[in-house]
Parts: sequence; C-alpha cells; structure tokens
Amino acid sequence: GAVVSQHPSWVICKSGTSVKIECRSLDFQATTMFWYRQFPKQSLMLMATSNEGSKATYEQGVEKDKFLINHASLTLSTLTVTSAHPEDSSFYICSASLAGDGTDTQYFGPGTRLTVL
Amino acid sequence: AQSVTQPDIHITVSEGASLELRCNYSYGATPYLFWYVQSPGQGLQLLLKYFSGDTLVQGIKGFEAEFKRSQSSFNLRKPSVHWSDAAEYFCAVSKRGGGNKLTFGTGTQLKVEL
Repeated sequence: GAVVSQHPSWVICKSGTSVKIECRSLDFQATTMFWYRQFPKQSLMLMATSNEGSKATYEQGVEKDKFLINHASLTLSTLTVTSAHPEDSSFYICSASLAGDGTDTQYFGPGTRLTVL
Repeated sequence: AQSVTQPDIHITVSEGASLELRCNYSYGATPYLFWYVQSPGQGLQLLLKYFSGDTLVQGIKGFEAEFKRSQSSFNLRKPSVHWSDAAEYFCAVSKRGGGNKLTFGTGTQLKVEL
C-alpha cells in the first residue's frame, strides 16, 4: 500500500518551454502533497506544500510563478515548470501524506529527472 | 529552528558486518522521526518511523532504529549488511501537529564491500 507514482520519469525540453510533472497517489487519498527538488549528491529541498482544493504554500525563495502547483483531487498533484531554463534542470520528487493518518508519514514518488537544454 | 544532523557523509562496511548510521536532531519537543533510503535515480522509500511508545522501532529490510530522548538521537542499525543495502540514507523529522513538513538530514552514503 501507499504507492505514489510520478510521470514522466524523465524529460528533456528546450529552454523557454514549459514542462508538467504529475504526481499520483495510487491506492490512497492524499490530503497533502509535497514537491521537492534534489541536486546531485544533496538532500531534498522542499519547494512547496499543496492541499487538495487550495493554493499551494511555497517555501521561501521558490518562485511560485515559475513552479505552478495544482492539487485538483485527493490523488493528483501537478508541478509545471514554466519557461524552463538550464538552471531548472534537477531531480524533482513528490510525496503524499495519507489522509486521516495523523502520523505525518510521507510516501515518495520515484522522481522525475528534468533536463533543460 | 529545527535541524537534523547526519554526521557521516560516507560509510563503507563489509558485507555481513553490522551497521549503525547516526542521526541527531535539534527540536523544541520530541518530533516524529523517520528513516528513508534512496537508491540511485530513485525516490525515497520509508524504512521505519517513530511516533511514540517503544523506543526501539523495527522497520523493513531488517533495519531497526532506537530513539534516545536524552541524546536527541535516532540511530539506524542493521546487524548484517547485504550488498543490496548500498544506497543513500536520510534521517528526517517533522513537528508533531505541524502540518507534516519534513526536515531532512544531509544523508549518509553507504557503500558495501563484498
């Protein structure tokens, strides 16, 4: 149980284009989903927290107009990197918290490798 | 501010040897505590978690961790390491009732020698 998927697993795009990454909780409902960014050989950096049906809460220093997050249902959240540039190349990981769990446990997706040329 | 320290960036052990990965946290109160493992190019898999009760927690893949309040530590252990355990290990904490936000340590890279 508690499986989270991400799509795509990797994507290459040209500079200036937008890229959408999907995060789905496959076998549970997630009241809260999180988006992280991870640079090579580093820890995870929380970008934003999203609750179903409401606006995402972004961490300090994360541009909300550049990283658009939508949490339209209890099983789906999307991250759109708008007007991507090479410095946005990174490994993006989402996680989801089990609704009603009350234990703060986050279950992580497999990640999406974004390369911007 | 809360913080998580994993003092060992790299650890190398021989297959079959015991393993202990250290984790210390700085928090106002006892947080929720987690250990995750990440294989190269993959997401994070939950190994175990501590919320309350027995301070020795059993997890998947033969791992266990012990919460020591007096030392603000939550060290991960395994009695006999397998080559497939080679990965990056992250300790993480979240504030009780704090909206699920996780604070991660910097990770420990485990290498297993055959």
